[in-house]
Amino acid sequence: NAGVTQTPKFRILKIGQSMTLQCTQDMNHNYMYWYRQDPGMGLKLIYYSVGAGITDKGEVPNGYNVSRSTTEDFPLRLELAAPSQTSVYFCASSLGSYNEQFFGPGTRLTVL
Amino acid sequence: AQTVTQSQPEMSVQEAETVTLSCTYDTSESDYYLFWYKQPPSRQMILVIRQEAYKQQNATENRFSVNFQKAAKSFSLKISDSQLGDAAMYFCAYRTLNYGGSQGNLIFGKGTKLSVKP
Repeated sequence: NAGVTQTPKFRILKIGQSMTLQCTQDMNHNYMYWYRQDPGMGLKLIYYSVGAGITDKGEVPNGYNVSRSTTEDFPLRLELAAPSQTSVYFCASSLGSYNEQFFGPGTRLTVL
Repeated sequence: AQTVTQSQPEMSVQEAETVTLSCTYDTSESDYYLFWYKQPPSRQMILVIRQEAYKQQNATENRFSVNFQKAAKSFSLKISDSQLGDAAMYFCAYRTLNYGGSQGNLIFGKGTKLSVKP
C-alpha cells in the first residue's frame, strides 16, 4: 500500500493563478481531510469529507474548493491564488472519525 | 471551541537523557482523544502516541509515555533515553468525539522543536 500520496511536492504560483493539489489514498478510508501548516504553526483544517460525494468546510476554507467523486481521491482547488495561501498543505485520511489519521508527505506551495 | 497550547517553542536534550514536552488544552467536552505527532525535517506527520480521555491509565509506547491530567487539562509527553532520531517538531493535538461540526478532525498546537545533542 502506498498510503496517502500527494502531488506535486512543491509548486510556485503567481498571484491570481489557479491550481489543484491532488490527494489519493489506497486504504479504502471513508474520511479525508485537507490541512494547511503555516510557518511556526500547527495544522489547521481547510475541508474534510466523510465519504464520496460529501464534503464540508473546516476552520479556514476561504479561497479553496474540494470535491470527492471517488473514495480514493480528494483534490483541493485553489482559485485566484494569493500570497496568504503560501503554506504547506497536508492531506490525511482515516477509516472513521475515531480511527488514526494517516498523513501524506505534504505539498509546499509558494504564491508570489 | 477547543484550543491546544504548547508553551515551549524549543527544547533541547542530551542524547540518552529524558525530556518532557508540555501541552495544555481547553475544552468543555468530557470525551475526546489526545495525540502527540512527530514531524521530522521530511515533513511527514508521524503518530507517536494517543490517549483516550476516558482512560485513567497513561499511554505508553516504548520510550514514549504521557502524563495525562484530565482535571488540569494537561497532556505532557516524556521521551526517555533520547536518540538523535528523536530530533523533530512535536505537535500536541486534540480530537473531539462529538459528531456535530467537523467530524474527527485534529486541532493542533503550534509545536515544540526538539533538538537532541550527541
